Amino acid sequence: GESVGLHLPTLSVQEGDNSIINCAYSNSASDYFIWYKQESGKGPQFIIDIRSNMDKRQGQRVTVLLNKTVKHLSLQIAATQPGDSAVYFCAETSNAGGTSYGKLTFGQGTILTVHP
Amino acid sequence: GAGVSQTPSNKVTEKGKYVELRCDPISGHTALYWYRQSLGQGPEFLIYFQGTGAADDSGLPNDRFFAVRPEGSVSTLKIQRTERGDSAVYLCASSLKGYNSPLHFGNGTRLTVT
Repeated sequence: GESVGLHLPTLSVQEGDNSIINCAYSNSASDYFIWYKQESGKGPQFIIDIRSNMDKRQGQRVTVLLNKTVKHLSLQIAATQPGDSAVYFCAETSNAGGTSYGKLTFGQGTILTVHP
Repeated sequence: GAGVSQTPSNKVTEKGKYVELRCDPISGHTALYWYRQSLGQGPEFLIYFQGTGAADDSGLPNDRFFAVRPEGSVSTLKIQRTERGDSAVYLCASSLKGYNSPLHFGNGTRLTVT
């Protein structure tokens, strides 16, 4: 659901379930997207990225789906484990004007809690 | 290999004081970034270095904030006349080539201005 300030969206799952975390982005010119995992007291950890010329990319236990038509990004985690519990952020950037670099715009984050 | 290292991990300072935050990027990464993260929010861009030069400092909130990277490796973020609103986690990240390559973040410096 929608959240403001400290009230981040939350997702609670049981260990072994599949998790889907969603992200809506606003810049139609964005052409590179990244998912990050952030545990308490740590910096964001790179999970997976995708470029705008793709609509799906798979990693180890994770899949990112990109729907440019509706500006939507999702992260699917298979067989979720307690160690997956963290805040997940999507981030986007644009190559508009040929100045693409790591000037990422982050989404608000989703708290994933995995129960044993 | 070693990741991005930031020191100190925590810094408490009084309003009006000057602080320096240090970042050691991953060896060989030419691009270095500073971001700021407030509680419950995603990181926000501050400044980007490609090599020694600040290629984009558009995210620095005002002229009290300044960053350097004199030898193209270690970077220092400097904040003058700190204010309570500067309290946040300051994150440093590096990437191999700057464009379309993922950023690798350090664990940040938690700055508290009292």
